[in-house]
Amino acid sequence: ETGVTQSPTHLIKTRGQQVTLRCSSQSGHNTVSWYQQALGQGPQFIFQYYREEENGRGNFPPRFSGLQFPNYSSELNVNALELDDSALYLCASSPGGAWGTEAFFGQGTRLTVV
Amino acid sequence: KQEVTQIPAALSVPEGENLVLNCSFTDSAIYNLQWFRQDPGKGLTSLLLIQSSQREQTSGRLNASLDKSSGRSTLYIAASQPGDSATYLCAVRPRETSGSRLTFGEGTQLTVNP
Repeated sequence: ETGVTQSPTHLIKTRGQQVTLRCSSQSGHNTVSWYQQALGQGPQFIFQYYREEENGRGNFPPRFSGLQFPNYSSELNVNALELDDSALYLCASSPGGAWGTEAFFGQGTRLTVV
Repeated sequence: KQEVTQIPAALSVPEGENLVLNCSFTDSAIYNLQWFRQDPGKGLTSLLLIQSSQREQTSGRLNASLDKSSGRSTLYIAASQPGDSATYLCAVRPRETSGSRLTFGEGTQLTVNP
């Protein structure tokens, strides 16, 4: 059974550019969530996908968007990057539709915007 | 709006001590509470998951308790070791959501000195 994997591990982008981060969910998990973690803070929920549909969103602007594919892998896209977007981006998966299930996280993607 | 607070923000102890990390949350309508460990610059490792109907969970030297009515959880670490040095995060899953949507505290940074 493979765990949650994210790519790339590190990324440097220039302000105003666009970025795509990728996540492969754990085998058997059909729900994926994305979180942003600024340095020294707890992760903040961005949005969640269940069976290819967005079914929850945190307090993030529309330039943060996502996709989930039929194999339940997911992408996070951020347009018009700002310096404050520099953070660790975490992906979590769980067997969605089952309440109260455990979330499993990937190793994260460190995004630096310069 | 659910808010999660962790006290203390940082803790430094000598090896071998037993210690307690605290987590409080403002809304008791949760499905479960999950404790995570995070090493610097890395992803989250799930330590313990406590369902809302449970009072405690144990794994090795770790014991987590949950008092949902008072909005509190504690993580007890017995016989601490230098390898326990990390940031410990607690997160709650609100009752109205499914899957992996979590609200996190800001963490307790633990240092165990040899």
